[in-house]
Amino acid sequence: ETGVTQTPRHLVMGMTNKKSLKCEQHLGHNAMYWYKQSAKKPLELMFVYNFKEQTENNSVPSRFSPECPNSSHLFLHLHTLQPEDSALYLCASSQDGGEGGTDTQYFGPGTRLTVL
Amino acid sequence: GDSVTQMEGPVTLSEEAFLTINCTYTATGYPSLFWYVQYPGEGLQLLLKATKADDKGSNKGFEATYRKETTSFHLEKGSVQVSDSAVYFCALSGSGGSNYKLTFGKGTLLTVNP
Repeated sequence: ETGVTQTPRHLVMGMTNKKSLKCEQHLGHNAMYWYKQSAKKPLELMFVYNFKEQTENNSVPSRFSPECPNSSHLFLHLHTLQPEDSALYLCASSQDGGEGGTDTQYFGPGTRLTVL
Repeated sequence: GDSVTQMEGPVTLSEEAFLTINCTYTATGYPSLFWYVQYPGEGLQLLLKATKADDKGSNKGFEATYRKETTSFHLEKGSVQVSDSAVYFCALSGSGGSNYKLTFGKGTLLTVNP
């Protein structure tokens, strides 16, 4: 499989559940990102990992917990979410997430999350 | 801080019509500019990009020119097709040294009717 893949594509969970979103990139990139896409709002950057190290946490609530075990995989662990967390969660990767040089980000298809 | 403003739409056109989606930006330094497209049920795909002033990005009949003097990066296509129906996002990166951070506009929904 090529590009950036995300599983599951759709997820419905209650507020007390614990679930995880998975992202995998097959592009040989070193940086991975989580974004949140809510209706009628710009995409919001949540987390950035560069060479497996978290370099950005954009004031995301602790009920969202990222994990990056290697440069190809990125997880988003979800715990005690709120209905307003319902959104499309997009993963992206780029060659390098550091300073200097311009980099194109490649996106996965997203996970549509609904919190009841 | 950085910001991107694009016409929110929705935009509805007939097939073969001319398309313009306006995008202006505010940024420090010399950002790179992007257009991404999101087809129904899918993630974002890079459509085109420009990395410096006066560059023209082009792909699949779409074009956009990096205009530093007007801080704009308007998307154009001479003849749209039904398959172009999607949400289009303007974005910038590279402002102020933070090259990996993408700042997005809110997106413009385009519907092309046969």
